[in-house]
Amino acid sequence: AQSVTQLDSQVPVFEEAPVELRCNYSSSVSVYLFWYVQYPNQGLQLLLKYLSGSTLVKGINGFEAEFNKSQTSFHLRKPSVHISDTAEYFCAVSEAEDYGQNFVFGPGTRLSVLP
Amino acid sequence: DTAVSQTPKYLVTQMGNDKSIKCEQNLGHDTMYWYKQDSKKFLKIMFSYNNKELIINETVPNRFSPKSPDKAHLNLHINSLELGDSAVYFCASSQALSGYTFGSGTRLTVV
Repeated sequence: AQSVTQLDSQVPVFEEAPVELRCNYSSSVSVYLFWYVQYPNQGLQLLLKYLSGSTLVKGINGFEAEFNKSQTSFHLRKPSVHISDTAEYFCAVSEAEDYGQNFVFGPGTRLSVLP
Repeated sequence: DTAVSQTPKYLVTQMGNDKSIKCEQNLGHDTMYWYKQDSKKFLKIMFSYNNKELIINETVPNRFSPKSPDKAHLNLHINSLELGDSAVYFCASSQALSGYTFGSGTRLTVV
């Protein structure tokens, strides 16, 4: 069975600074990877996904992530954050044989953007 | 149009009561899910339905029962509510390779 680790429970960063949110996964088979964002008192919204092809994936709101199979990582990056990026970010993995269903979510990383 | 809608948004009830949360999706997705998010934001899958068949049933108490009248609806019924059931419950749906689409959540408070 797959698992997901997000090592940083909280990441404070100043506005306009770059940020990286780390995600590592464990699986014995091929996987699909996703990042979701949850703004306060809202549901989860898909930021980006990796299914196959280019290992650098671009998503909404200026975020991107890079799939690194050898390091089993899928870190999320943004070159310049805004106050509005303050939210909880979840990494999720699905085994390829499940066709992107039956996710396992990481514990989340709280990104706080400071003025 | 809301893709995945769940009602009610807030639910406050006393211990021992029975309550239901409804979920509907208009995306034509094959699979629907219920997740529980605790106070630490941890997401735990409770159930999923694929074409009206239960395909995941994690170790949740049998006081929780999913009901799916058709593939666009997955309701969650909870009997004999306990304080520990207080959480935010999310409905979601998915189709192959699409990722999940989530509802906006139901905040359940048991007093």
